[in-house]
Amino acid sequence: DAGITQSPRHKVTETGTPVTLRCHQTENHRYMYWYRQDPGHGLRLIHYSYGVKDTDKGEVSDGYSVSRSKTEDFLLTLESATSSQTSVYFCATITGWDTEAFFGQGTRLTVV
Amino acid sequence: QKEVEQDPGPLSVPEGAIVSLNCTYSNSAFQYFMWYRQYSRKGPELLMYTYSSGNKEDGRFTAQVDKSSKYISLFIRDSQPSDSATYLCAMSGGKLIFGQGTTLQVKP
Repeated sequence: DAGITQSPRHKVTETGTPVTLRCHQTENHRYMYWYRQDPGHGLRLIHYSYGVKDTDKGEVSDGYSVSRSKTEDFLLTLESATSSQTSVYFCATITGWDTEAFFGQGTRLTVV
Repeated sequence: QKEVEQDPGPLSVPEGAIVSLNCTYSNSAFQYFMWYRQYSRKGPELLMYTYSSGNKEDGRFTAQVDKSSKYISLFIRDSQPSDSATYLCAMSGGKLIFGQGTTLQVKP
């Protein structure tokens, strides 16, 4: 298995509170992605990174921010969590555009 | 308009049937085309990968890409109950975008 670890694995938080999810990789992959997965929507790209301090928005980036200060860590922050952000979040990494994406185990986030 | 469209199903077939899964896309920048399989409460795993138009076969699985029509397919021959999962198409070429996923159930 690729060395990709997401933390926490499960979290319940209240509406309006900030939440940070962490993706940690030991593969030295350049590209990292954050997705959310909801029934009927597949995996939707939130933000992605193509290098340290280089990030870009995906299709559902509103309400989310990211940071990548080290190759191995990609953080996803919900500045003020809302119930619509209840979802399963997946982190993925790839070495290049023509390579396999490796996924973390997922983080199940519930906003009440 | 979504960059990648995939019928979410669900799709239910008897064991041994041939399964056809399809995706269409709108972004000509996509160069690499993949199929992932995802079991319940697990992360997706790569099943098939191709970067050119035509067919690619791996055992019971065949991936087909038609760049002129912006259409990709995955065929599963002699489907088995263990093939029951969600299948997601994915495309890469600047970012990695997934389809909505098709839930497949193969009944014994």
